[in-house]
Amino acid sequence: DAGITQSPRYKITETGRQVTLMCHQTWSHSYMFWYRQDLGHGLRLIYYSAAADITDKGEVPDGYVVSRSKTENFPLTLESATRSQTSVYFCASSGLGTGGNQPQHFGDGTRLSIL
Amino acid sequence: AQKITQTQPGMFVQEKEAVTLDCTYDTSDPSYGLFWYKQPSSGEMIFLIYQGSYDQQNATEGRYSLNFQKARKSANLVISASQLGDSAMYFCAMREGPGNTGFQKLVFGTGTRLLVSP
Repeated sequence: DAGITQSPRYKITETGRQVTLMCHQTWSHSYMFWYRQDLGHGLRLIYYSAAADITDKGEVPDGYVVSRSKTENFPLTLESATRSQTSVYFCASSGLGTGGNQPQHFGDGTRLSIL
Repeated sequence: AQKITQTQPGMFVQEKEAVTLDCTYDTSDPSYGLFWYKQPSSGEMIFLIYQGSYDQQNATEGRYSLNFQKARKSANLVISASQLGDSAMYFCAMREGPGNTGFQKLVFGTGTRLLVSP
């Protein structure tokens, strides 16, 4: 089925470990985004990508790395996880639009706990 | 300064009544867009409605409407005839810039939790 899928849905890891969150979309959307959701902060943008091999930092990029070798995939890596990165992570995508009204479509989220 | 402000952490409404969720925004860009998303307890983010800064009329989508007051920089979501399934977290978000490239860098508010009672 078409859509945007994130994996894993839940992940528990330890501080200092590397962890990669996967995001895959089947719409061939150009734009993809990673957000984190924390109580009291809403959603904050970590990284975004306008196309394959084009990525840029969002509001809270420190401690995260992204890549986009293929249009449909946009993995997010925590190179050395810290407790402050415990959060719910959302991937989103949006297509090209002429009216600016293209909504971002979100995956179901990954709940990440770092002990 | 907060770009998007949602001052109501929680709201209660009885089934079948209307409810307004507040959202104010701050931007100096004449071209922008405002989005509302719903997040039920299951966690997914569901797009509800969009309002462009140059749109002449308030946006409507079924039971959802957007009360857009440009001079006051407010974009309140109105849900008519509330249903139990409307209980969720609601987020207001803003895109700055014309968006005609399709790029939608959004800034989100902190959300309002709506509880609909029977």
